[in-house]
Amino acid sequence: KAGVTQTPRYLIKTRGQQVTLSCSPISGHRSVSWYQQTPGQGLQFLFEYFSETQRNKGNFPGRFSGRQFSNSRSEMNVSTLELGDSALYLCASSLAGTLEGYTFGSGTRLTVV
Amino acid sequence: DQQVKQNSPSLSVQEGRISILNCDYTNSMFDYFLWYKKYPAEGPTFLISISSIKDKNEDGRFTVFLNKSAKHLSLHIVPSQPGDSAVYFCAAPGNYGGSQGNLIFGKGTKLSVKP
Repeated sequence: KAGVTQTPRYLIKTRGQQVTLSCSPISGHRSVSWYQQTPGQGLQFLFEYFSETQRNKGNFPGRFSGRQFSNSRSEMNVSTLELGDSALYLCASSLAGTLEGYTFGSGTRLTVV
Repeated sequence: DQQVKQNSPSLSVQEGRISILNCDYTNSMFDYFLWYKKYPAEGPTFLISISSIKDKNEDGRFTVFLNKSAKHLSLHIVPSQPGDSAVYFCAAPGNYGGSQGNLIFGKGTKLSVKP
């Protein structure tokens, strides 16, 4: 059974650019959550999508956005990149937003230069 | 305001001895807690959990203890093995919007188990 797939694994962008990260959940999972991991702040919740609707949002600026498609795949977008956006971005999927089968992907390492 | 706190950034123990990782929380509405293990460049993997109606949960070498009055939980690993070396995160579901899919994490404790 395939796990949660995040692409790309590594990304280098320049300040001011925008970036799109992708997350393919485990087959049958309809909920996708996104997290940002930085050395200073640890793992912080970004947002959660369920059935193409954003259900929850963490305390991040509007430059961070996301969406979910009908096949449950999700993307997150960061516009006007700042150096502080350099982080490991993780997504997790579950059946319906419960912790049953809650599984993380390996993440996308974003470096902003 | 940090709702889940892991005050020890690192811990070093000898192989075969007990590792004790601690976690404190401030939100008394939390009703479920989880521990995750994370290796560099990988996503966190679920280790063990505990409901707030229990004070102990055991799974093999891993035991989690919950002290609700102190708002404190701890993860015990006995015996510790070199393969246990990783960063351990304590987490609780924010339960916002009726969903558990918004975990609140501590900042993690890096465990090093020396042979």
